[in-house]
Amino acid sequence: GAVVSQHPSRVICKSGTSVKIECRSLDFQATTMFWYRQFPKKSLMLMATSNEGSKATYEQGVEKDKFLINHASLTLSTLTVTSAHPEDSSFYICSARKGLAGVRDTQYFGPGTRLTVL
Amino acid sequence: EDQVTQSPEALRLQEGESSSLNCSYTVSGLRGLFWYRQDPGKGPEFLFTLYSAGEEKEKERLKATLTKKESFLHITAPKPEDSATYLCAVLGQGGSEKLVFGKGTKLTVNP
Repeated sequence: GAVVSQHPSRVICKSGTSVKIECRSLDFQATTMFWYRQFPKKSLMLMATSNEGSKATYEQGVEKDKFLINHASLTLSTLTVTSAHPEDSSFYICSARKGLAGVRDTQYFGPGTRLTVL
Repeated sequence: EDQVTQSPEALRLQEGESSSLNCSYTVSGLRGLFWYRQDPGKGPEFLFTLYSAGEEKEKERLKATLTKKESFLHITAPKPEDSATYLCAVLGQGGSEKLVFGKGTKLTVNP
């Protein structure tokens, strides 16, 4: 199997606070993890690609100082939304790639985290 | 630029009524085409990966096929629990690890 977990599943916070979301690959090692954002009734929007032991690569238009990504181990990546504001409210989903880049590289997704900023 | 177009946007079927979902793509060298199922409020669930034209994969009532321009997800005798949004994505050989997603097909199977 290829199981990816996320914690928490839901979080409500006040404007100005920071929120950390964890993404874990439970039964495989993932050298690369990805963070997506999904708006209602829209498809997934890639925010950043996270490689273990190196800095994340952010997509155009994504503020790296606002969305801090850390990939400290082969099974854990974290996304921290700093100084959250209501417009950051969204569904955040991570994925982990099983396999080496350029080979058989299927991404497996976590269950998502619903962030609501009041 | 890699592109994925899924059709139809929405599909309503009666239980047992077989049909197909389409995923048309343009990509600079295909490394893989992926089908996912997404339920409301959940992350996408992996279904299939296809790598080359002519390849087919099956899982229960679902069968995915691939040509050089498109992929089909065939649903045979669907059940209400097959209701979900089905997402198609491609990975190209352009050097990026970025999946390019279609907008999805929302399938509703009525009992």
